[in-house]
Amino acid sequence: QQPVQSPQAVILREGEDAVINCSSSKALYSVHWYRQKHGEAPVFLMILLKGGEQKGHDKISASFNEKKQQSSLYLTASQLSYSGTYFCGTQYSGAGSYQLTFGKGTKLSVIP
Amino acid sequence: EAGVAQSPRYKIIEKRQSVAFWCNPISGHATLYWYQQILGQGPKLLIQFQNNGVVDDSQLPKDRFSAERLKGVDSTLKIQPAKLEDSAVYLCASSSAPRGGKDYGYTFGSGTRLTVV
Repeated sequence: QQPVQSPQAVILREGEDAVINCSSSKALYSVHWYRQKHGEAPVFLMILLKGGEQKGHDKISASFNEKKQQSSLYLTASQLSYSGTYFCGTQYSGAGSYQLTFGKGTKLSVIP
Repeated sequence: EAGVAQSPRYKIIEKRQSVAFWCNPISGHATLYWYQQILGQGPKLLIQFQNNGVVDDSQLPKDRFSAERLKGVDSTLKIQPAKLEDSAVYLCASSSAPRGGKDYGYTFGSGTRLTVV
């Protein structure tokens, strides 16, 4: 079952913050976050396992709310290099193969 | 460390023709995935291998798509015959997940852009 991402697109000026959400209607085992630049491969950012932990990677961090089956990606003090499409991928509890299902993506554009 | 290698980078074929894509994962990565990414959408899993065994091929259109990973290293994905709706980027990914593909991030290759005309 495909997770739902919001917003679909966002435009930021350098230095501004953004939040991207990823929601599931099924119980989640984990959430992955990837960034894909135009014409390039998706690049792994971080993985969050159930337990409500928050992770950080430079000025990009994410949280996992197990009660709401939702994850949020936080980008602070955005840089031009943050531009790209962000995908969340979800793995579900009880799925033997732990298939990673991606959302439709959130296109982030950072302008000077 | 070398990344995930894929070839060819681009391919244009006519409908009903066949095509094959090759992937060499990161050395030592036991789990290999093939994803299909249609323009403007997220990647969709086609097949997942653990070493040379298939873990999940539930979304692989088996009437036309086939994949193999004979020696547990590199892999080939084939489409025969191709349809117009197969136009997409085919991404190969690998992870060091020892079992079931969980708890580890994936490393993706640059993909093969397939155009079916």
